Amino acid sequence: AQTVTQSQPEMSVQEAETVTLSCTYDTSENNYYLFWYKQPPSRQMILVIRQEAYKQQNATENRFSVNFQKAAKSFSLKISDSQLGDTAMYFCALCLIQGAQKLVFGQGTRLTINP
Amino acid sequence: EAGVAQSPRYKIIEKRQSVAFWCNPISGHATLYWYQQILGQGPKLLIQFQNNGVVDDSQLPKDRFSAERLKGVDSTLKIQPAKLEDSAVYLCASSRLRVVNTGELFFGEGSRLTVL
Repeated sequence: AQTVTQSQPEMSVQEAETVTLSCTYDTSENNYYLFWYKQPPSRQMILVIRQEAYKQQNATENRFSVNFQKAAKSFSLKISDSQLGDTAMYFCALCLIQGAQKLVFGQGTRLTINP
Repeated sequence: EAGVAQSPRYKIIEKRQSVAFWCNPISGHATLYWYQQILGQGPKLLIQFQNNGVVDDSQLPKDRFSAERLKGVDSTLKIQPAKLEDSAVYLCASSRLRVVNTGELFFGEGSRLTVL
């Protein structure tokens, strides 16, 4: 079975600072995808960034980047130049390529950006 | 394009009553998911449909939960009878193909259920 663990229930930073959210996962499979999803207070979850496990290069999307350490099964999200609109719950998720391809989510990290 | 539509947004019922949630995915999306999100936890997959067939329902409490996706479009999730621990937000999501082909699920705003 696959598990995803986010060890930081809450984080808070000042606007314009850089923040890193941690995620570790466990799977015996070698082929999978990892995702970070953002859930603002309105509750509609949206994709932030994704990483294919077979790619060594870390994914980046504008101010968002990941640090993917496959051997350590670690997948952290870095948000640079944080903005008030980044305030949300952030979920790390794992999806195996084989089988039903269901997303397994972590418990989430509540991120607050302070003005 | 229109997003994933869910209704009702909020529902309060007494335990042992029944409730139904409706989801209309994005047009053309073959895969539909129902997730349960208990307060303070990450979403947990209840059931996954590919068109109108069930791909995964291993975590669906089948003694009280049921779901259908007639004609491979919209879907209904039913709980009967409800228990206190069913209080949660029920999220519907859809994707065009399988997740790893598109890399993205599109979520609705959710239906918040409170069981008293």
